[in-house]
This record gives sequence, structure tokens and C-alpha cells, in this order.
Amino acid sequence: GQNIDQPTEMTATEGAIVQINCTYQTSGFNGLFWYQQHAGEAPTFLSYNVLDGLEEKGRFSSFLSRSKGYSYLLLKELQMKDSASYLCAVSGTGGSYIPTFGRGTSLIVHP
Amino acid sequence: EAGVTQFPSHSVIEKGQTVTLRCDPISGHDNLYWYRRVMGKEIKFLLHFVKESKQDESGMPNNRFLAERTGGTYSTLKVQPAELEDSGVYFCASSQIWKPYEQYFGPGTRLTVT
Repeated sequence: GQNIDQPTEMTATEGAIVQINCTYQTSGFNGLFWYQQHAGEAPTFLSYNVLDGLEEKGRFSSFLSRSKGYSYLLLKELQMKDSASYLCAVSGTGGSYIPTFGRGTSLIVHP
Repeated sequence: EAGVTQFPSHSVIEKGQTVTLRCDPISGHDNLYWYRRVMGKEIKFLLHFVKESKQDESGMPNNRFLAERTGGTYSTLKVQPAELEDSGVYFCASSQIWKPYEQYFGPGTRLTVT
């Protein structure tokens, strides 16, 4: 089975940096996803990490440590539009790349 | 380029009735996935098509759910007969065969069974 843990809610200030952590325990591991989901909308793919280390994509970066079962999503220069739910998901062994989702972290950005 | 579309956006039906959800993936995406989010819970995988073939249907809850993708383009998910616990948001996603991890989600169909 797979167990994914992330904080339920976080708040941050516009212009600041926020780090959303995700820990996982899985029977098999292929990679780790991060998705952004605004209320009432579709989840949007942000990143997929397979190897250890930090991957940067504009204001968003994602980090993975396979040995520790740990990932984080780093959001820089926060904007009000970044208020959303951030979903951590892992895929197991094999080539299916099917994500098993956590419950998501609701990020509230205030002025 | 058009994204993944789903129809209807909302559906309210009575217990015992039948409902059919439709998903149109991004053109050229051979991978098509169905997911469901029950209120208060996480998004859960239902099944995966590669073109018209079911690659993985391990997430389908029971035989009241039937998914098809005839012709390998759009897909339908039929629930018959619907039960109260089927209420939730049903998402469809698609991806290219050579980039399966980059899934594009549709806006979802909110199903309410009363």
C-alpha cells in the first residue's frame, strides 16, 4: 500500500517563499508528482521527480529524497493566484505512472 | 490546443438510475485515465486506457461501473445502477504515450446521487 502525508493547510504572505512538505511510505516507488488545483477546477501538473535532488521550473521547485521518503514543493515570490490546493502523489513500480494522491495542502496567500 | 473536456459538468440523479459520463482527451493522447474524488477524500484512480484497450482497471470499485473507449478517442464511464456512495467528482485525464507522467486533467463531472 501507499501512505502519503502532507499538511492540511498553510498560509503565507504575498511575495514570500513557502515550502510544502510531503512524506510517503510506499511498497514500490517510481516517482513523485506535484499538482496544483484551484477550487472547482482541474488539477494541473507541476512536476514529476524520479531522481534525488532539486528541479526548478520558474517560481516553483520540487525536491525529492528517495532514501528519506520525502519531497517538498517550493514556491517563490508568492502571488495571490498561487492560493490553491497542492497535491502530492506517488507512482509505484512498473511503467504505468499512475499517481496515488495525498489529500492535498490548501495554501492561502494573503496580502 | 483544446484541453481535456468532460460532459456533463454536473449531474444529479436518483439512486438506482443510470448515468453516463463522457471524456474527450487532448487530440493525439493515447493514454486516458479516469479518477474519482469523494468528498473529503483524496483523488483515487479508477482505470487507464491505452488507445481503446484497458491497461489497468484495478481501481474500479465494482461491476456497476463500466468504462469504454471505442475507437480510441473519447471515453464514457457508465454507472448502473447508481448508489449514494457513488457521489463525487469524476475526473478524466490524458497524456501522450511517450510522456505518460504528464497527465492533463479535465474539469471533472460532479455527480450527486440522491
